[in-house]
Amino acid sequence: NAGVTQTPKFQVLKTGQSMTLQCAQDMNHEYMSWYRQDPGMGLRLIHYSVGAGITDQGEVPNGYNVSRSTTEDFPLRLLSAAPSQTSVYFCASSYSSGRGTRDNEQFFGPGTRLTVL
Amino acid sequence: AQSVAQPEDQVNVAEGNPLTVKCTYSVSGNPYLFWYVQYPNRGLQFLLKYITGDNLVKGSYGFEAEFNKSQTSFHLKKPSALVSDSALYFCAVRDISGNTPLVFGKGTRLSVIA
Repeated sequence: NAGVTQTPKFQVLKTGQSMTLQCAQDMNHEYMSWYRQDPGMGLRLIHYSVGAGITDQGEVPNGYNVSRSTTEDFPLRLLSAAPSQTSVYFCASSYSSGRGTRDNEQFFGPGTRLTVL
Repeated sequence: AQSVAQPEDQVNVAEGNPLTVKCTYSVSGNPYLFWYVQYPNRGLQFLLKYITGDNLVKGSYGFEAEFNKSQTSFHLKKPSALVSDSALYFCAVRDISGNTPLVFGKGTRLSVIA
């Protein structure tokens, strides 16, 4: 298994540009999520999905859109990039047990380092 | 609301000495607790979790953590530190009830000195 893959690894954007960060997993996990990591802030949840066709907002959703058309893919879209969105972005997934996904560990991708000028 | 506190930004320990990385949490009900490790330029890796049962949880790479409900703590420990343990460590919590997602602490950087 490739696990959780993210592309691109690095990206530089100008303010106002749009782009999509790709995330895919081959573990048939129902739960997928996007985090951003900033120095001294830890990981903050942007959006998450409990299954295909279902998405919900996390702690810091403004400026980001997501969709979940398949179990495998969970792209994150920046519609109009801003310097405040300079960060490292991580995608994660986890499987579902009888208690749902609440007690299951997440598997993280390698991250995308985004700089917005 | 649920939250996690990692009171130390940085922990330094000599190789071979025991290490502790502290974590305290706040949830309205009972918690699920996790520790993750992040090596430079990598994603987070799962170390261990507390769901229920024995308060002492053993995980990967010789790490363990003790759940203390009265002190609302879940400190990460290892009896003998290795230089290769140097990394960023994150504690995370989720309430076992409700629909709240996982919340991470700000992380503690562990440096093991040879």
